[in-house]
This record gives sequence, structure tokens and C-alpha cells, in this order.
Amino acid sequence: DQQVKQNSPSLSVQEGRISILNCDYTNSMFDYFLWYKKYPAEGPTFLISISSIKDKNEDGRFTVFLNKSAKHLSLHIVPSQPGDSAVYFCAASYSYQKVTFGTGTKLQVIP
Amino acid sequence: ETGVTQTPRHLVMGMTNKKSLKCEQHLGHNAMYWYKQSAKKPLELMFVYSLEERVENNSVPSRFSPECPNSSHLFLHLHTLQPEDSALYLCASSQEGTGKYNEQFFGPGTRLTVL
Repeated sequence: DQQVKQNSPSLSVQEGRISILNCDYTNSMFDYFLWYKKYPAEGPTFLISISSIKDKNEDGRFTVFLNKSAKHLSLHIVPSQPGDSAVYFCAASYSYQKVTFGTGTKLQVIP
Repeated sequence: ETGVTQTPRHLVMGMTNKKSLKCEQHLGHNAMYWYKQSAKKPLELMFVYSLEERVENNSVPSRFSPECPNSSHLFLHLHTLQPEDSALYLCASSQEGTGKYNEQFFGPGTRLTVL
């Protein structure tokens, strides 16, 4: 049973436009959500997170939105840059150790 | 060295071999993790060590044996693996016990191929 789902395996966006990556979860116990970015031949790196007490968190070009009633979160990248091309993993946690990851979405930003 | 390092980066082994993966973190963290990433599947948490004690073992087959001799080093000993064990093995570390969620820092991974 996959508790964190990223239904789009890939996404292509023109440079300068908005990239929207989506994530759905099934476990209502999750109270902390994270996005990681992974380049080829490197490990995932933390990008941005959000607590369940918030519905939005912004960090520069990256904004994460949380809709608890829909059990849905999204990552917005504005404006998208070619260097943003990577695999993005959504993750969720309800304890400080156990983090459940999605399958990832490969973003390609076209110059 | 900085961050989390893993050696080797690539490993090819036969099903009867014994090998070990090594992870070292230079961040002063007190928790370390092994994850497995197979193609088109989520990262799967295998083992968690907190303060050098194993606190989680997610039903991992006994052919995988972790070892955490101190808070900076983590090993994954492999023996009699199967071809389906071929995957990217990622190590991560974090600082626990600060009363808030802490991000995990990942190493680059070891790409394992079992023939």
C-alpha cells in the first residue's frame, strides 16, 4: 500500500514558466511533509517542507501548498530554470524518524 | 570530506559473494539510515540507527546485515544476494532529539548490481 503517491512520473516545462508537481497521501496521521530534489549520481537533497498546521510555505522560487482535506500537496517552482531539471520526491512523516517517500517526478525544464 | 559519503559508488557482485557498503557522515548527527531505491519504486527505508542502536528494521531479509560501530559510520553487510536486490542503496543521517522534525541528509548512493 503506497501511502505517498506521485502520479506523474515526468513533467516538461518551458524555462520561465511555472512548474507544478503534485503529491497525494492516504495516511491522515502524517503531520509533516517534505520535498527532496535528486540529480543523477547524487543523493536526494532537502528542498522545502511544511507542517500540517500550515497550508503554504514559501522559500524563494519554491512554494509548497498543503490541502489537508484533500490529502494533497503541491510544489510550485516559479520561474522554472534549466538547473531545476531533476527528480523531485515528495515525502511525509508522522514521527521524527519514519519518512515515507513517493516514487518521484522527473522534471525537465526546456531552455 | 563533508556531508555524507558512501563507498563504493558502484558494486557488481555474484550471488555467492560477501561484500559491505560503507557510509560515513561528517555532520555530527546522531541518527543514520539505509534506504533502498529500485526502479520506479519509492525509496524504501531499510534500517534506522539512533544513538548507535538499531531502532527500526523494516522486514528486511537477513541477507542484509547492518552495523553501526559509532555515530559517524554505518555499514551494510551483504551476503548471498539475489538479482532482485540490484538497486541504489542510499545512506542518510539526521540530528534527532531536538524537538522538531529534522531533514535527512543523503549520501550519493551505491549502485549495486547482483549477477
